[in-house]
Amino acid sequence: ETGVTQTPRHLVMGMTNKKSLKCEQHLGHNAMYWYKQSAKKPLELMFVYNFKEQTENNSVPSRFSPECPNSSHLFLHLHTLQPEDSALYLCASSQVGTTSVNEQFFGPGTRLTVL
Amino acid sequence: AQSVSQHNHHVILSEAASLELGCNYSYGGTVNLFWYVQYPGQHLQLLLKYFSGDPLVKGIKGFEAEFIKSKFSFNLRKPSVQWSDTAEYFCAGRDTGNQFYFGTGTSLTVIP
Repeated sequence: ETGVTQTPRHLVMGMTNKKSLKCEQHLGHNAMYWYKQSAKKPLELMFVYNFKEQTENNSVPSRFSPECPNSSHLFLHLHTLQPEDSALYLCASSQVGTTSVNEQFFGPGTRLTVL
Repeated sequence: AQSVSQHNHHVILSEAASLELGCNYSYGGTVNLFWYVQYPGQHLQLLLKYFSGDPLVKGIKGFEAEFIKSKFSFNLRKPSVQWSDTAEYFCAGRDTGNQFYFGTGTSLTVIP
């Protein structure tokens, strides 16, 4: 499989559940990102990992916990979420540290609904 | 903080009409700029990007954008739209760090 893949594509969970979102990139990139996409709002950057090290955490609540075991895989662990956390969660990857413009490549997203 | 703003939230055009979507960024230093497109049910895809050099950038599917530094703008254009251009369009910027800033998006509907 090529590009950036995300599983599951759809997830419905209760507020007391614990679930995880998975992202895998097949592009050889060294940076990975989690975004939250809500209607009528800009994409919200949640976390950035460069070379498996977390470099950004944009004031994301602790009920979202990222994990990056290697440069190809990124997880977002979810627990005790709120209904307002319902959104499309996008994973992206890019190559950092080169002289070229390192645009991001996006996965298809996980549509999360919190009941 | 750096930001990117898109003026048009929803645009409706007839086929063959010309398109211009506005994008402004707030960062005053070196900036990389992008336009992404999200077709219904599909993931975000890169349309075009600006790094340096010629301020008129050509992308895929007949799209182009012009970087005007004095106006902090990077508007997207297409001379003649098609029904298949119906999608959500996002402008994004990246400063010298590794943070990307996205606009709220513009929903384009092209009527056959």
